[in-house]
Amino acid sequence: EPEVTQTPSHQVTQMGQEVILRCVPISNHLYFYWYRQILGQKVEFLVSFYNNEISEKSEIFDDQFSVERPDGSNFTLKIRSTKLEDSAMYFCASSDELRDSPLHFGNGTRLTVT
Amino acid sequence: DAKTTQPNSMESNEEEPVHLPCNHSTISGTDYIHWYRQLPSQGPEYVIHGLTSNVNNRMASLAIAEDRKSSTLILHRATLRDAAVYYCILANYGQNFVFGPGTRLSVLP
Repeated sequence: EPEVTQTPSHQVTQMGQEVILRCVPISNHLYFYWYRQILGQKVEFLVSFYNNEISEKSEIFDDQFSVERPDGSNFTLKIRSTKLEDSAMYFCASSDELRDSPLHFGNGTRLTVT
Repeated sequence: DAKTTQPNSMESNEEEPVHLPCNHSTISGTDYIHWYRQLPSQGPEYVIHGLTSNVNNRMASLAIAEDRKSSTLILHRATLRDAAVYYCILANYGQNFVFGPGTRLSVLP
């Protein structure tokens, strides 16, 4: 069964550094998402992406965050200048265009900001 | 976003059926009811979804009340691998999935 893959599984970075989290969505999917989960807390929506542009973003997704689909397979989340509070699991998800289509999640990247 | 209410936690014995309830009294006519689960150290995993009729798949069954204001996820025979947080989410076309705290299911051997 096709799956969403995320790399790296764990990223450690220093405060103020830029990080790029990578995702390969399921190949025929058209909608892409990033969610995050701070340790012990609920899964939070960050951004959705369709047709090469952001569809919706949450208040968490401020100017420090950006997303890109640089080619036909990858979907990336960039954090320009990481803060300690950015430490979390970041999950990528994708879905197809059907009205009731479920989301398929990757296993996440654990970002640790020191 | 439409809201759901789930118990914080539930416990089940291995190989027994589990009924996980979800209340969604403000559901709209076009909201789909989705269930996801999150195993420890993994991303959320799709379980099942439905609109009005009960649904079955290889993982679980979804029973939807006639007025659609509540639903129940049924695991027919719980295994230790089913221990996870289960999320009930209402989603409409074009809307984003909003995760609540879910129900933490513990399965006892």
